[in-house]
Amino acid sequence: DTGVSQNPRHKITKRGQNVTFRCDPISEHNRLYWYRQTLGQGPEFLTYFQNEAQLEKSRLLSDRFSAERPKGSFSTLEIQRTEQGDSAMYLCASSSGGKEKLFFGSGTQLSVL
Amino acid sequence: KNEVEQSPQNLTAQEGEFITINCSYSVGISALHWLQQHPGGGIVSLFMLSSGKKKHGRLIATINIQEKHSSLHITASHPRDSAVYICAVRGGGADGLTFGKGTHLIIQP
Repeated sequence: DTGVSQNPRHKITKRGQNVTFRCDPISEHNRLYWYRQTLGQGPEFLTYFQNEAQLEKSRLLSDRFSAERPKGSFSTLEIQRTEQGDSAMYLCASSSGGKEKLFFGSGTQLSVL
Repeated sequence: KNEVEQSPQNLTAQEGEFITINCSYSVGISALHWLQQHPGGGIVSLFMLSSGKKKHGRLIATINIQEKHSSLHITASHPRDSAVYICAVRGGGADGLTFGKGTHLIIQP
């Protein structure tokens, strides 16, 4: 078990392009969370899955953002028509239940030029 | 929506000092997390609390549910403790965590 893995570590893109990030949680964890963090701020909740079901989405998650967890294992977060304001660190975390400890990935740093 | 406030925002101390970081929240919660974030983004979960007190090595976390307040203490602080410490809560009708802005701690040798 290597913990929560996120790819890529860094992504630089031009405004208007689409980007996709991947998160591989700890294998037996049924809960997977996506967060976003900008410089100097704490992380902000985006969405979470229990197995393959997306149970909650933040108002921060505009219609340009979509997340999937098709087989209840890895998850992808796609941002369409990126904007400069989307530049942030995108963090993934997993846990074995709602009241269990969270394990975080190292994040994907997105820069939109 | 839960509001999470941490204090202080920044703290610089000398090696060996006893450190206290505070967290207050506005709405009833089911759990409170203390997280440590090092430069480069990696976040490590230190504690998850729903009541009382937990201790791990030189770290102690306490929570007072009635007062909606938690503290993280570091005894015999060391330069390797330098990091951002983040308080996060679950509750207030949402399952996703609500995070504080973090406390930037620097321990000088």
